[in-house]
Amino acid sequence: QLQLQESGPGLVKPSETLSLTCTVSSGSISSSSYYWGWIRQPPGKGLEWIGTIYYSGYTYYNPSLKSRVTMSVDTSKNQFSLKLSSVTAADTAVYYCARLQNAVVAFDYWGQGTLVTVSS
Amino acid sequence: QSALTQPASVSGSPGQSISISCTGTSSDVGSYNLVSWYQHHPGKAPKLMIYEGSKRPSGVSNRFSGSKSGNTASLTISGLQAEDEADYYCCSYAGSTTYVFGTGTKVTVL
Repeated sequence: QLQLQESGPGLVKPSETLSLTCTVSSGSISSSSYYWGWIRQPPGKGLEWIGTIYYSGYTYYNPSLKSRVTMSVDTSKNQFSLKLSSVTAADTAVYYCARLQNAVVAFDYWGQGTLVTVSS
Repeated sequence: QSALTQPASVSGSPGQSISISCTGTSSDVGSYNLVSWYQHHPGKAPKLMIYEGSKRPSGVSNRFSGSKSGNTASLTISGLQAEDEADYYCCSYAGSTTYVFGTGTKVTVL
């Protein structure tokens, strides 16, 4: 059973960069059948797609976050990562990593999520 | 890229059927038959319930069904059960390899 696990600091100061890593286990991140994505949920609000990355490194970002988002992939470690720069309190959220299955264009496996709080 | 519009809450009694709407635009829901639905119990990972508008992944109960008309997609839960109480989100492909989620609907089983 594929598993995804988010990791990273739970507290980030305003104006700094949020960094998270998603480790994929029981499956290869290098499969051509999947993309890998980040989705977040601010407290009391809905889900927001942040971006998606292919194992080759090709990235696609939410236009509203594009100027601050960088995603990368490390196939040797079976991991992909998210960096969000110049964070503010509005970036406080539970961040999820997920697998996007190409054939059906849906996020079929998700991590449990990690809460990141932006505060001084 | 604006969030798809869902009702904030929907409720029903056990055994009843409920429907959740997901309204987008001609740039997302209306242009592609690529709407997915997710069930989210707070504190847990979201679960894929419907993909490509109306298809169920293996293991998802056939009490869940999806449809689309124009710019609006819908999720119907029939034979409502206590375990169905959760938040539900739609998601649509929006072109250029981008995606947009709905505002979310809280389903309450009375």
